[in-house]
Amino acid sequence: GAVVSQHPSRVICKSGTSVKIECRSLDFQATTMFWYRQFPKQSLMLMATSNEGSKATYEQGVEKDKFLINHASLTLSTLTVTSAHPEDSSFYICSAYRGGYNEQFFGPGTRLTVL
Amino acid sequence: AQKITQTQPGMFVQEKEAVTLDCTYDTSDQSYGLFWYKQPSSGEMIFLIYQGSYDEQNATEGRYSLNFQKARKSANLVISASQLGDSAMYFCAFPTGTASKLTFGTGTRLQVTL
Repeated sequence: GAVVSQHPSRVICKSGTSVKIECRSLDFQATTMFWYRQFPKQSLMLMATSNEGSKATYEQGVEKDKFLINHASLTLSTLTVTSAHPEDSSFYICSAYRGGYNEQFFGPGTRLTVL
Repeated sequence: AQKITQTQPGMFVQEKEAVTLDCTYDTSDQSYGLFWYKQPSSGEMIFLIYQGSYDEQNATEGRYSLNFQKARKSANLVISASQLGDSAMYFCAFPTGTASKLTFGTGTRLQVTL
């Protein structure tokens, strides 16, 4: 099956620091990856679409300078939360789209806590 | 724009019973699909089932089946013979655009009781 990993699974940081989250497709190439954010007891909200070799496409209301996305290779996309603040505390989940399959393959998620 | 609605914030079902989780959608597309995902407390998103709008028969995957009614724009998930491990959040999701980005419903929390 298609496996997507995320690292770290959990991170706690101080306000004002930057945090990088990695999303990797382990056994397939993903030209497109997606980043979602989920607040407690809420649904997943798409933040951005990450395309290999080009700039990410951000959803309305998502600050591109705060949430930096880099899709450096066909198996790796990174999300950097810059100058994190407590309101950025959330569960961040990536998914990878595999051509020829209907479904997206989700990573296990990263729980970010900003103190 | 597509809109997807789950009207049941929470549901209870007894073990071994069947349960139906509702999902309605609104789209002007002629060709589309709809997903159901399960999210246990660990947070991972587990793919359950997919239905395409042109599929003639309702999709089934083990104990999961879709009651897909295009005229009503509903795609309800039926879980048969519920198990305690089925307790989780359940989301229906609608892919949009060529990149197939997903729009999720608000979710239904299912609790299976003894």
